[in-house]
Amino acid sequence: QKEVEQNSGPLSVPEGAIASLNCTYSDRGSQSFFWYRQYSGKSPELIMFIYSNGDKEDGRFTAQLNKASQYVSLLIRDSQPSDSATYLCAVNDSGGGADGLTFGKGTHLIIQP
Amino acid sequence: GAGVSQSPSNKVTEKGKDVELRCDPISGHTALYWYRQSLGQGLEFLIYFQGNSAPDKSGLPSDRFSAERTGGSVSTLTIQRTQQEDSAVYLCASSLAENSPLHFGNGTRLTVT
Repeated sequence: QKEVEQNSGPLSVPEGAIASLNCTYSDRGSQSFFWYRQYSGKSPELIMFIYSNGDKEDGRFTAQLNKASQYVSLLIRDSQPSDSATYLCAVNDSGGGADGLTFGKGTHLIIQP
Repeated sequence: GAGVSQSPSNKVTEKGKDVELRCDPISGHTALYWYRQSLGQGLEFLIYFQGNSAPDKSGLPSDRFSAERTGGSVSTLTIQRTQQEDSAVYLCASSLAENSPLHFGNGTRLTVT
């Protein structure tokens, strides 16, 4: 059973600080890693994806991947109240398909003004 | 460009009735997924279509649920003899290829009374 674990939160971060969201996964064969943001009552929206070890930056967002330790994280710099949402981590193995894609249950992030 | 389109956005039905939910994926996307999300819960995988391959139906919760994808494009999820526990948001997502990021539609909120 492939597992993707996230702390459910809520994670409370003051406005302007860095929010750090973490995700661990069980399948060492995992190849693709995704972060989705889901506002309450809305559908998930792709924020970042990363395939290689190291950091990938896009604006205020940085995804970090460490395959040896089997974790992927999302950093949000200069956090804004509009970043308050649930963040879903998703992991896909090399086989693709539905059984290769596993979502975590999400971390609820609150940015306090 | 156009995203994933789902209809209806909301559906209220009486227990025991059949419902059909529609998903129009992004043009050119070969993979299509259906998920279900109950209030405050994570994503529950239902069914996956990839090109002309046989669908992965492993997530369908009962034989009251079925789905088809015509011409490799539009998909319909059918729930027969609806029950109150079927009430949830039904999300459709498509991706360009098996390991590509998923793009979600806005979902159909189903309420069974």
